Amino acid sequence: EPEVTQTPSHQVTQMGQEVILRCVPISNHLYFYWYRQILGQKVEFLVSFYNNEISEKSEIFDDQFSVERPDGSNFTLKIRSTKLEDSAMYFCASSASSEALSGESYEQYFGPGTRLTVT
Amino acid sequence: LAKTTQPISMDSYEGQEVNITCSHNNIATNDYITWYQQFPSQGPRFIIQGYKTKVTNEVASLFIPADRKSSTLSLPRVSLSDTAVYYCLVGDDTDKLIFGTGTRLQVFP
Repeated sequence: EPEVTQTPSHQVTQMGQEVILRCVPISNHLYFYWYRQILGQKVEFLVSFYNNEISEKSEIFDDQFSVERPDGSNFTLKIRSTKLEDSAMYFCASSASSEALSGESYEQYFGPGTRLTVT
Repeated sequence: LAKTTQPISMDSYEGQEVNITCSHNNIATNDYITWYQQFPSQGPRFIIQGYKTKVTNEVASLFIPADRKSSTLSLPRVSLSDTAVYYCLVGDDTDKLIFGTGTRLQVFP
């Protein structure tokens, strides 16, 4: 069964440093997402991406965050200057279609996550 | 912005049916309601998805009333391996995706 993969599984960084979290979505999927989950809390939507541009983003996704699909397979989340409160699990997901399409069903497949620890 | 509410936790015994309800207002009129299961240190895993009325698959049923202000995930005959956190996921009227607050289900032998 195809799956979403993420690297690294755990990233430790110092406050103020830049980090790049990497994801390889399922190969025929067109819609990509990043979510964040602070320890013990619910999963929070960060951003959705389609056709090489951001479709939607949440209030969490401020100027320190950026996403990129640098080639045909990778999807990255960059945090420019990390803060202590950025410590969380970051999940990538992909889907073949989007709920934005009128009435069309979709299923998001999630990766195993990257645990980011900012010290 | 859509607001979603779920019970924080539920307990059950093996073999029982479990129903978990998510309340959600201001969801997008053309979006589906999706439920996910999450085990510790893993990404959410898709369970079921529906638009309205009732949907059933091999693992669960989903009941959605006509007003779509809530949805109920039904797990028939739970087992110990169903112990997990269950989330609803909805799209709000600004096309942002909102996870529910999550329900921690504990199944006892």
